[in-house]
Amino acid sequence: GEKVEQHESTLSVREGDSAVINCTYTDTASSYFPWYKQEAGKSLHFVIDIRSNVDRKQSQRLIVLLDKKAKRFSLHITATQPEDSAIYFCAASKDNNAPRFGAGTKLSVKP
Amino acid sequence: GGIITQTPKFLIGQEGQKLTLKCQQNFNHDTMYWYRQDSGKGLRLIYYSITENDLQKGDLSEGYDASREKKSSFSLTVTSAQKNEMAVFLCASSIGTGGQNTLYFGAGTRLSVL
Repeated sequence: GEKVEQHESTLSVREGDSAVINCTYTDTASSYFPWYKQEAGKSLHFVIDIRSNVDRKQSQRLIVLLDKKAKRFSLHITATQPEDSAIYFCAASKDNNAPRFGAGTKLSVKP
Repeated sequence: GGIITQTPKFLIGQEGQKLTLKCQQNFNHDTMYWYRQDSGKGLRLIYYSITENDLQKGDLSEGYDASREKKSSFSLTVTSAQKNEMAVFLCASSIGTGGQNTLYFGAGTRLSVL
């Protein structure tokens, strides 16, 4: 089955800098790659996704890149703010299958 | 908007005990999921269900049973709690029956086994 590896377990950046979180997946049939955010003491909520028919998607300060050849996708957070501090989870899924998640990256944005 | 309600919020059990966790959603979503969250291991899929009375095993289904008797509810049973087990169980739901839709998560049930 699909396995998703999230490469950075922790990441610390200065406010205003960019943060990049990298994930890889194993199943070439996976076609949907969402990202979720978990703030301290709260549950997960969706932030952005990308489908396999594109290689880049942007929503405000969030950019997702997808490299299907390398089976790699990444979340870029530009101009980071303290409220970006959270655990970010990547996931991958294919049609009719539940998403599989990475282990999470704890992002700290320091003033 | 809708909400996913998980009960109980906290569950303390004894080794060997059978424990049931409940999840209700009012989104009218077709698919519901149970994930286990352990520190440093991310979310691992236990069971999911694409419609009432359907059950699909995930990667961590051994030691668990699930039940989807109504579209709005999905319960998970730990068949025999393991000593010193600590984890958060997250329920989620999504529209449709495919794997290409946004998941909405509940607040979680935190399990501790004495």
